[in-house]
Amino acid sequence: DTGVSQDPRHKITKRGQNVTFRCDPISEHNRLYWYRQTLGQGPEFLTYFQNEAQLEKSRLLSDRFSAERPKGSFSTLEIQRTEQGDSAMYLCASSSGQGSPYGYTFGSGTRLTVV
Amino acid sequence: KQEVTQIPAALSVPEGENLVLNCSFTDSAIYNLQWFRQDPGKGLTSLLLIQSSQREQTSGRLNASLDKSSGRSTLYIAASQPGDSATYLCAVRPLISDSWGKLQFGAGTQVVVTP
Repeated sequence: DTGVSQDPRHKITKRGQNVTFRCDPISEHNRLYWYRQTLGQGPEFLTYFQNEAQLEKSRLLSDRFSAERPKGSFSTLEIQRTEQGDSAMYLCASSSGQGSPYGYTFGSGTRLTVV
Repeated sequence: KQEVTQIPAALSVPEGENLVLNCSFTDSAIYNLQWFRQDPGKGLTSLLLIQSSQREQTSGRLNASLDKSSGRSTLYIAASQPGDSATYLCAVRPLISDSWGKLQFGAGTQVVVTP
């Protein structure tokens, strides 16, 4: 296991189209997180899962966004009817359980450009 | 509401100089603080993690200190090299259980080390 994998690395889509991103966390990590980062800013929290349960969603996650983590392994983030404001880097991270002293491990991100 | 600030926003130094990067946070109720490096267009690489009970962590040329009571952390990079050029982000993990999933990031310090 070499870390957190995200696919695709880059995605260019036309406004109004749907897109789906995939994240494969470190296999022994039961927590998985999605963040969004725009140019010149730090990442902003979108949502997180403990195993297959989605425990929290940010107000940033509008109804056009949906995330799943079937079977508590990989996760997908779907954006429906994309808008130009959705253009950003989407980052996935994973970590061990609540009592773990360890930090987060991030993937390389998916850069979305909506034209 | 936790706010994380990084000053300066950008920094340029000649090769060989020591780098000092600052991070401040408004709520001292944190579980830990993590420093990340981000290269242009890439994901985040974890550098150092400091637990709330610790005062500092060291890894090679990197040293991070934490003063939780005053809400500050400092990342020191000794004898900077052009390969250290990147954006450095700090992030705090809150102690409050209902915010457990959220890392709160600063906007980062963009560092350029000139040969």
